[in-house]
Amino acid sequence: QVQLQESGPGLVKPSETLSLTCTVSGGSLNSDSYYWTWIRQPPGKGREWIGYILYSRINGITNYNPSLKGRVSMSMDTSKNQFSLKLNSVTAADTALYYCAREVRFGASAFDMWGRGTMVSVSS
Amino acid sequence: AIEMTQSPSSLSASVGDTVTITCRASQGIRNDLGWYQQKPGKAPKLLIYTASTLQSGVPSRFSGSGSGTDFTLTISGLQPEDFASYFCLQQYNYPRTFGQGTKVEIK
Repeated sequence: QVQLQESGPGLVKPSETLSLTCTVSGGSLNSDSYYWTWIRQPPGKGREWIGYILYSRINGITNYNPSLKGRVSMSMDTSKNQFSLKLNSVTAADTALYYCAREVRFGASAFDMWGRGTMVSVSS
Repeated sequence: AIEMTQSPSSLSASVGDTVTITCRASQGIRNDLGWYQQKPGKAPKLLIYTASTLQSGVPSRFSGSGSGTDFTLTISGLQPEDFASYFCLQQYNYPRTFGQGTKVEIK
């Protein structure tokens, strides 16, 4: 059974970089069948798709939400079965519960696996 | 970005009731919609994909319907374990967008 687990600092200072990692167990990142995705939900607000990284032999292929205006980057480390999120120049508006998830790429698409989420607060 | 309008935001129901949750897309999304359940502190769980296909292992009391802009999740015969939050998610295009969620509470 594939499991996803988010990890990273729970507190980040304004203007700094938020860094999170998602560890995938029971499955491999070395597949072009899935989009490895980050999603967030600020307290009391709706969910927001941040973006995905797709495995490729040369480099991961990424797709980000334009709303994040170039502040986001994603990477993957297949040797550790992890993918990561970096969000720079954070403000209080980036305070949220951050989830990693797996989106099925082919056939009937769906987000079939999710982590439980990790809360990140942006505060000095 | 496609806007997903989900209603109601919350509802109270009793065990055995049938409940209906709707999502409306701001433009046609074919049947590229999924429904998810989430309980506090737990990972979201896929219930329905492509608007009406039941995910493996999900009880048949859950059903989905709709196409284009209007979609419905129905729970027929609410069970105690169904009291949770539900949200829709469109996969027609990027960025993926979500309904605001519906909290199903015990009456």
